[in-house]
Amino acid sequence: DGGITQSPKYLFRKEGQNVTLSCEQNLNHDAMYWYRQDPGQGLRLIYYSQIVNDFQKGDIAEGYSVSREKKESFPLTVTSAQKNPTAFYLCASSIRAAPYEQYFGPGTRLTVT
Amino acid sequence: QQQVKQSPQSLIVQKGGISIINCAYENTAFDYFPWYQQFPGKGPALLIAIRPDVSEKKEGRFTISFNKSAKQFSLHIMDSQPGDSATYFCAARPGTSYGKLTFGQGTILTVHP
Repeated sequence: DGGITQSPKYLFRKEGQNVTLSCEQNLNHDAMYWYRQDPGQGLRLIYYSQIVNDFQKGDIAEGYSVSREKKESFPLTVTSAQKNPTAFYLCASSIRAAPYEQYFGPGTRLTVT
Repeated sequence: QQQVKQSPQSLIVQKGGISIINCAYENTAFDYFPWYQQFPGKGPALLIAIRPDVSEKKEGRFTISFNKSAKQFSLHIMDSQPGDSATYFCAARPGTSYGKLTFGQGTILTVHP
């Protein structure tokens, strides 16, 4: 089955620790995205990548980092500099010709205490 | 100017009724307006989308109405069913910005049997 895999579904970390969220897709999509979802605030774009080895900051990139070494993978690191990291994180992908038609993974719920 | 304002925050409809969700925007550079449907614990899924050169688009029980002069668009769900109970997000994309969707705050729809 083609799709986007995010793991783990639930993640717990202590404050001050960096944590990396996994996102893998087998849709052969060129572009990938990371969003953060908080109650009542919709989805906010953290980072996006149009092609391997290239990525751009979204609207709320501070405290986050990404890499895009392979087409299939776009991991997100939540660093200790992110002041309020507890949230639901969503990864998405799209073909280059239709970047607005994004396909989302099931999400990872991160809780930092 | 990048915001998309969505209302209502929550909506309760009886089975068979019409659900209406509204969105408004300011940025005239937006050129693509998708709606996403999200079930609890899942990632959003593209439901239907419209471009500003079309005033209405219908797919099954789902219709987008678009008013370019008022900078508003809405989702109508006809004959609402309990299975439609989900969170709905409107979004918009500026034509100059690859893949950068701006999402509304979301509407939690509950359809009572």
